Formats: sequence, structure tokens, C-alpha cells
Amino acid sequence: SQQGEEDPQALSIQEGENATMNCSYKTSINNLQWYRQNSGRGLVHLILIRSNEREKHSGRLRVTLDTSKKSSSLLITASRAADTASYFCATDADDYKLSFGAGTTVTVRA
Amino acid sequence: EAEVAQSPRYKITEKSQAVAFWCDPISGHATLYWYRQILGQGPELLVQFQDESVVDDSQLPKDRFSAERLKGVDSTLKIQPAELGDSAMYLCASSSYTDTQYFGPGTRLTVL
Repeated sequence: SQQGEEDPQALSIQEGENATMNCSYKTSINNLQWYRQNSGRGLVHLILIRSNEREKHSGRLRVTLDTSKKSSSLLITASRAADTASYFCATDADDYKLSFGAGTTVTVRA
Repeated sequence: EAEVAQSPRYKITEKSQAVAFWCDPISGHATLYWYRQILGQGPELLVQFQDESVVDDSQLPKDRFSAERLKGVDSTLKIQPAELGDSAMYLCASSSYTDTQYFGPGTRLTVL
């Protein structure tokens, strides 16, 4: 079963715009991670935020975590065509086992 | 940069046939995972190994699926017999006592 649920399911933006996607989950977690998957390929780890952290940055990525609301958001600033991909949140609630959501498909238009 | 290797990348088989997928994790990574990803969904964990031992195979359909990691390095996932509903991407990932998992490129299975 999948714990995380991403919103929206799909997102289309113009190059240079920001993209925001959200993740909600159900149980207490140790950490929450975001992964990117280009079409038909494996997943690439983007960023990890621990349960005692509220915000984290990595390059053009900004992740927030609100454990009281059991939700997280991923912001991609100044999007590029290469950011076109599916983005998944994954929660680690137990012993390094990840539970993934269904993902948000992001399309960046040139 | 070290990567997780998987083969084959694509596999087409007929139902009731046997299939096998191979994964070679990043050198030194003790933990190895097999996931199944159905089109349009996120990956779901099938089995987790710590060295050569199975840590979690609660979601592995054991009547037809088997997984092994005999020497604690590379791993094989087998399906016998394959069913139409097994069509999916099979992903292997590894980690080294950390939270971050590194994924291979996956094997796309089509069962006809």
C-alpha cells in the first residue's frame, strides 16, 4: 500500500516559472524524501528532510515539512525543460523502508 | 560515479513462462531492495535484503516470485509462472546504512 499521496497528479508550466507539488501522508515518519523519474528510467534521489526539520534547500529545490499536518511540499524554482519528469515523495516510517506516492507528472514547456 | 546495474533492460515474455531479473548494487552497499512499479503508480517494495538475509518480503507474492542474494552482493528476482498482471517496471535499489536509496535503470517486463 502507498502511504504518500501527491497533489496535483499533473502540472504543466512555462520554462522559467516555479513548480510546486504537495505530498500528504498518514503515519508518523522518520524522514521524507523526494525522487525524480524521467520517462521509463530509474529514480533519482533529490532531497531528504528529517522529521525534526521544517525546511531544506538544494540548488533550485526547496522542500518543507509540516509533521502536524502530515504534509510536505517540493518547490522547483526557475524551471527548465530538463525538469520535465515525474516527482515522487517517499516516506520512511520504519527501518529504511520507503513508501512511495503515485507521483506528480511535471511538464515544462519551452 | 558508481551506479546500480540491472539487466535485462527490457523483457517480453508469454504468460506461464519463467523470467529472471538481475541486479548488481553499488559496491559496499549492504542493503538491497526490489520494487515493482505499475505504469502510472509509485514503486512498491517487494523485498528488502540486508547482506544475504531477507529483512522484509511481506509484499512478495511467494507463490510465484522468489528472490535471492546468495553472497550478499548481486541479486536475482524470479517470476514463475508469469501472469499478465505482472507487466510492470522492476526496480532495484541499494543503500549503505543510510536513508538514501540509489536506484538502477529498471527492467521493463511485458507479459503477453
